Amino acid sequence: SAVISQKPSRDICQRGTSLTIQCQVDSQVTMMFWYRQQPGQSLTLIATANQGSEATYESGFVIDKFPISRPNLTFSTLTVSNMSPEDSSIYLCSGTGTLGEDTQYFGPGTRLTVL
Amino acid sequence: AQSVTQLDSHVSVSEGTPVLLRCNYSSSYSPSLFWYVQHPNKGLQLLLKYTSAATLVKGINGFEAEFKKSETSFHLTKPSAHMSDAAEYFCVVGITGGFKTIFGAGTRLFVKA
Repeated sequence: SAVISQKPSRDICQRGTSLTIQCQVDSQVTMMFWYRQQPGQSLTLIATANQGSEATYESGFVIDKFPISRPNLTFSTLTVSNMSPEDSSIYLCSGTGTLGEDTQYFGPGTRLTVL
Repeated sequence: AQSVTQLDSHVSVSEGTPVLLRCNYSSSYSPSLFWYVQHPNKGLQLLLKYTSAATLVKGINGFEAEFKKSETSFHLTKPSAHMSDAAEYFCVVGITGGFKTIFGAGTRLFVKA
């Protein structure tokens, strides 16, 4: 298994600003993902964070709005840029691929409120 | 293409009675299937995982799920609900050939005293 931490756990931001969320895994994982969970909704995959290269984004998400970095096998960041109230959500990162297994382990999430 | 449907958005049971949370999936291949639980203001916790080794999968906290290929179902059950089981439950299917997953819409479980 893998233990995943995220920082910050929550934040309140003004519209037009940007927030960077950090995700740290306690062991090397093959894949890291970023999800968004809007209020009362399920999880939607934003992108796959690729080590040392550009992230792979799902339909409806773009790099300019959600730039992602993954400099090594245990760390990734997601930036929410030029925020609007519609970006108020929980953002979660996950890791998988430890020892070849496909189980995803999730961080506790970052609760973002945009005013 | 894979997909997953949770048939109930809300389920309400009395403490001590059985729990049934329904999930149907669509997949061209033998899928990986998961159930996760999310307690209020908490992260996602893996309850159990199906990987074709056995059709009846036992998970944590007394939960289990049965994979039925003929019905394309993976329903989650528990013989006796506890107040602490009140949470949101997600059925998840793994996308073949990779590690990505698709989440169901979720089922909110309410447990009455």
